[in-house]
Amino acid sequence: DTGVSQDPRHKITKRGQNVTFRCDPISEHNRLYWYRQTLGQGPEFLTYFQNEAQLEKSRLLSDRFSAERPKGSFSTLEIQRTEQGDSAMYLCASSIKAINEQFFGPGTRLTVL
Amino acid sequence: AQSVTQLDSHVSVSEGTPVLLRCNYSSSYSPSLFWYVQHPNKGLQLLLKYTSAATLVKGINGFEAEFKKSETSFHLTKPSAHMSDAAEYFCVAKGYGGSQGNLIFGKGTKLSVKP
Repeated sequence: DTGVSQDPRHKITKRGQNVTFRCDPISEHNRLYWYRQTLGQGPEFLTYFQNEAQLEKSRLLSDRFSAERPKGSFSTLEIQRTEQGDSAMYLCASSIKAINEQFFGPGTRLTVL
Repeated sequence: AQSVTQLDSHVSVSEGTPVLLRCNYSSSYSPSLFWYVQHPNKGLQLLLKYTSAATLVKGINGFEAEFKKSETSFHLTKPSAHMSDAAEYFCVAKGYGGSQGNLIFGKGTKLSVKP
């Protein structure tokens, strides 16, 4: 399968714990995006990278959230001191610069107890 | 600010009848618009996109959408619904200016198809 992959698919954690998610984009795609989707809502943009540079961050991305893409390939999204409000589906997408199509992964569903 | 409004949260049709999912956008610029579909436990899939070429855009699985600037609409249609079309559909606009990287999603329309 050469699509966008995300790991893990599901994560259950207790409030206050840290969690980290991984996204592997399509191999030749230089742009990588993170979105968050809560129940009954459309995905909301969090941040995106072009190669290893983080070019844009949403106001939704609080100080407890950090994303990296150290070598311009896979990316990680870490949430520190999780809160129940962080429970959501976290989606990753990738694209080729200047092409208007983002390819989405299956998402990581986070449940904070 | 740019925004997308999907006018129906849930649409129910019978198999073989037409599908209409409505979307209005708000933008000061000529927008790039998309429709994505999300099946349960699967990733979002692009159905079609409008990028200021032809106003009638044809997508996959028999879907099409018409960009109407005067009505600021981008409704999604299909002549005949199939059971496999049951899913959540999102109307999406591409950000511009300082938000060129991101997509702006509507809240989604859940399509149910009755046999």
